[in-house]
Amino acid sequence: EVQLVESGGDLVQPGRSLRLSCLASGFTFDDYTVNWVRQAPGKGLEWVSLIRSKAYGGTTEYAASVKGRFTISRDDSKTIAYLEMNSLKSEDTALYYCNMGSGAFDIWGRGTKVIVSS
Amino acid sequence: SCELTQPPSVSVSPGQTARITCSGDALPRKYVYWYQQKSGQAPVLVIYEDTKRPSGIPDRFSGSSSGTTATLTLSGAQVEDEADYYCYSTDSSVNHSAFGGGTKLTVL
Repeated sequence: EVQLVESGGDLVQPGRSLRLSCLASGFTFDDYTVNWVRQAPGKGLEWVSLIRSKAYGGTTEYAASVKGRFTISRDDSKTIAYLEMNSLKSEDTALYYCNMGSGAFDIWGRGTKVIVSS
Repeated sequence: SCELTQPPSVSVSPGQTARITCSGDALPRKYVYWYQQKSGQAPVLVIYEDTKRPSGIPDRFSGSSSGTTATLTLSGAQVEDEADYYCYSTDSSVNHSAFGGGTKLTVL
């Protein structure tokens, strides 16, 4: 079955760190860019970060709101992607989705919840 | 920057045509993707590369793009089409991707 499963979300205090994981199965993980997308409670979708496949250099991009604080990475041997989040702020509170695909092939996980609060 | 602007809401009666627009300066150069998100669910791709429809998406969904505006059209909207709709695009000139703010479609 083609699927993405996010994990690692938690309640954390402002200023702390958290690492999210996205485990893929059922397709060729190496071939695709990984996106992290978040959705704050009652708000719209916000693109957070991406990491391209090795075929496209494995380069990374970040939204301005997280640049310098978040780091995306991938381990193709384990078909897993990570989002390391440092210096967390209350405005990072959201449901974090992992997304992969190209063209008509588009997969989303069910998300993992991050709450940043003291 | 890759900023995309959508109307906050669109409302139609069942069977009518609903049109949701997405405006952005980069759109003449980049593809637009459209997502449907129902309450409590992950987004679902309904249109990719401006005009293409994934298998399994009803043919009442269509997409178009002209200049700086892309449009998602639902011809004969159904009650089950009520959802939030988001456009998405990238802008390689600024190495940035973005979603529009989302449009709440009401069919009643």
